[in-house]
Amino acid sequence: EIVMTQSPATLSVSPGERATLSCRASQSVSSNLAWYQQKPGQAPRLLIYGASTRATGIPARFSGSGSGTEFTLTISSLQSEDFAVYYCQQYNNWPPLLTFGGGTKVEIK
Amino acid sequence: QVQLVQSGAEVKKPGASVKVSCKASGYTFTSYGISWVRQAPGQGLEWMGWISAYNGNTNYAQKLQGRVTMTTDTSTSTAYMELRSLRSDDTAVYYCARDFPTVGATTTDYWGQGTLVTVSS
Repeated sequence: EIVMTQSPATLSVSPGERATLSCRASQSVSSNLAWYQQKPGQAPRLLIYGASTRATGIPARFSGSGSGTEFTLTISSLQSEDFAVYYCQQYNNWPPLLTFGGGTKVEIK
Repeated sequence: QVQLVQSGAEVKKPGASVKVSCKASGYTFTSYGISWVRQAPGQGLEWMGWISAYNGNTNYAQKLQGRVTMTTDTSTSTAYMELRSLRSDDTAVYYCARDFPTVGATTTDYWGQGTLVTVSS
């Protein structure tokens, strides 16, 4: 089973600053990596798929990079609505077998 | 617009079973599979399994094999997840999520609102 590890667990950032979140896979997942945002009491929202493609309606300040085992989500200038928990997810299997990272909480500094 | 609407909150005793429904609308139900994901209080996301709404094929997380069954009713565009022999650590919000096919692989895009299942004596 592929294990996904996210770091850091918590990231304290001031509004307007840049946030960089990391995700590592225990084995290569190619570019089959997605990022989700979750706010309290809400379902996760798909932000990025294919490691770097923004989902429909996602602002350009969100960007993803990486392939293989190392991935990064960057939020270029944090807005108030971006403070949330972010999860990476690998989907490099058929039939689907999805694995999530433990999450990174982005909080206001 | 795509919507997944789940059934309401449940309270169950240890050892009991729960069946959560997920009614889809706004798309052709049989064209997309459904994954089920759960989230224990204050914890992360755990994938439970997947079902093809086209032919009913399933793929379950190994740790839940034997306790979970996923089904679909194409006549009502509804997916179901049944979990048996409930334990206190099954207390969680349960989500259904629709397949999002990409090049060569499938993730999820639209999610239901979640169903809280509480297991308590």
